[in-house]
Amino acid sequence: DAGVIQSPRHEVTEMGQEVTLRCKPISGHNSLFWYRQTMMRGLELLIYFNNNVPIDDSGMPEDRFSAKMPNASFSTLKIQPSEPRDSAVYFCATIPGRTWVNEQFFGPGTRLTVL
Amino acid sequence: QKEVEQNSGPLSVPEGAIASLNCTYSDRGSQSFFWYRQYSGKSPELIMSIYSNGDKEDGRFTAQLNKASQYVSLLIRDSQPSDSATYLCAGGGASKIIFGSGTRLSIRP
Repeated sequence: DAGVIQSPRHEVTEMGQEVTLRCKPISGHNSLFWYRQTMMRGLELLIYFNNNVPIDDSGMPEDRFSAKMPNASFSTLKIQPSEPRDSAVYFCATIPGRTWVNEQFFGPGTRLTVL
Repeated sequence: QKEVEQNSGPLSVPEGAIASLNCTYSDRGSQSFFWYRQYSGKSPELIMSIYSNGDKEDGRFTAQLNKASQYVSLLIRDSQPSDSATYLCAGGGASKIIFGSGTRLSIRP
């Protein structure tokens, strides 16, 4: 298995532009998480899906952020409009099942820079 | 207040010595605890999980959990330069896992 796949790996954009980050989970993993990591705030959970349904989006910072999981093999995190403070590494992680006792498998991350 | 606390470091340990990393958590309902290692520019990878009070050993790594004190630790024996990384402690239960901010570990020759 190729593991969790994220694209793009790097994104540089200007303030106000729309940014879409993509994630392909490991086949058979039915829970998916989007995280944001910065030096100041560490690793923060943004949103969690189980069987394609958003379960907890309390970590989504504001309405500029939205996430979808239209099917079991694809998820997107969109920021519109983007701001410099959104600059961070965004990770997607998946687990087989819903229980939190399982190891989370992280993708390589997308490094976002908003100028 | 962050629910999982770690000393940010950096923690500098001589090669071959024992590195001790510590973590405290505030949610007494937490049931699952994890230690992830993250190399610079890379994604976190799981190195240990622990669910019961006591010690759990895996090679050079030992995780310790004390639920009464709400304390989790990771010991790395015979530290190697390849152990230099940021170590993330995570804990939680059925609804959510919270990550600490991480401790930077540096193994000096």
